[in-house]
Amino acid sequence: GENVEQHPSTLSVQEGDSAVIKCTYSDSASNYFPWYKQELGKRPQLIIDIRSNVGEKKDQRIAVTLNKTAKHFSLHITETQPEDSAVYFCAASTEGNKLVFGAGTILRVKS
Amino acid sequence: GAVVSQHPSRVICKSGTSVKIECRSLDFQATTMFWYRQFPKKSLMLMATSNEGSKATYEQGVEKDKFLINHASLTLSTLTVTSAHPEDSSFYICSARTAANGYTFGSGTRLTVV
Repeated sequence: GENVEQHPSTLSVQEGDSAVIKCTYSDSASNYFPWYKQELGKRPQLIIDIRSNVGEKKDQRIAVTLNKTAKHFSLHITETQPEDSAVYFCAASTEGNKLVFGAGTILRVKS
Repeated sequence: GAVVSQHPSRVICKSGTSVKIECRSLDFQATTMFWYRQFPKKSLMLMATSNEGSKATYEQGVEKDKFLINHASLTLSTLTVTSAHPEDSSFYICSARTAANGYTFGSGTRLTVV
């Protein structure tokens, strides 16, 4: 089955700096890669996703890149703000199938 | 957008009792519902996949007799934690695939077994 690894487990950045979180996946059949932000006790919120027919996707300060050959994808947050502080999860799935999550990254943005 | 309503949001029960958690898709039909549990400061671990009208598929290591899943209609899936024990205390959350080929999550249930 699919295995998703996520690094780093914690990340501290200064406000205004960029943050990068990386994930690798094992199943070459996976074709959907979402990123979620989760606050304590709340449901995961989708912040951006990418499908395997695309190499990069951007939405304002957030971008995701995908390297299918290497089986890794990354989340990039630019101009970080204190409200970006949260736990971020990457995930991978084949279309319509179960979503497998990475271990999570605690992002702290220091003001 | 697609919404999954999950109830209860919090429940405290005594050891040995059973607890039922419901997830309803409000404006779409969810033929498949995924059930996760999440321990504090940990990731979401898939427990099982429920399919409307058929038996659920459980992940390795998940006791199907302890975590009963029923998906009797296209809009309702339930997870029953039977004979709950303190180690079953966790955050349980459901997720359904949407027509846009994304996933939508319920709001989660915080279960505390005392």
